[in-house]
Amino acid sequence: EVQLVESGGGLVQPGRSLKLSCVASGFTFNNYWMTWIRQAPGKGLEWVASITNTGGSTYYPDSVKGRFTISRDNAKSTLYLQMNSLRSEDTATYYCTRLITTHYWYFDFWGPGTMVTVSS
Amino acid sequence: EIVLTQSPTTTAASPGEKVTITCLASSSVSNMYWYQQKSGASPKLLIYSTSSLASGVPDRFSGSGSGTSYSLTINTMEAEDAATYYCQQWSSNPLTFGSGTKLEIK
Repeated sequence: EVQLVESGGGLVQPGRSLKLSCVASGFTFNNYWMTWIRQAPGKGLEWVASITNTGGSTYYPDSVKGRFTISRDNAKSTLYLQMNSLRSEDTATYYCTRLITTHYWYFDFWGPGTMVTVSS
Repeated sequence: EIVLTQSPTTTAASPGEKVTITCLASSSVSNMYWYQQKSGASPKLLIYSTSSLASGVPDRFSGSGSGTSYSLTINTMEAEDAATYYCQQWSSNPLTFGSGTKLEIK
């Protein structure tokens, strides 16, 4: 059974940093691209970052580029999101997702999410 | 950036009723994907490649469309289908989601 479990969320002051983790199990982690998607309270879904299966390439939207860094440790089946210079608008639940990239591009498994609150 | 506009924003249906949710793209996309999010839960894949049902999804759900117009249909509404539904594209960067359609049971 595929499982994705996020951790590392919490309350952080504006301008500070936070690192999220996602432990994957139930599949061969190094065969899949992975992605972080977030959802602000009461709002829709927003793509945050994606990484190839080897970790050799990463992709970000302009809203987080230069502040967030996605990485992975395939030996530990773990995905990370380093978030720097946090802003109030980064407040959201962050979901770890498995990305399917064979002909189509979509997210077939989602973790339960970890909440990040940026506030003074 | 391709903007996905979903309609309606909110709707309600009685058990057994047919429901259709539309997703209009600001530019042509090759495929559309749909997710269901129940209250307090993470999203779940419903449909991939416009019309293919994800594993375990009841066949009362179906997807169709092409170009800039796509739709998700629930053939016969059930109480458990009450949720928010999102469309998604990644035909061009950046990946975008629709703003969601909240479906309630009457």
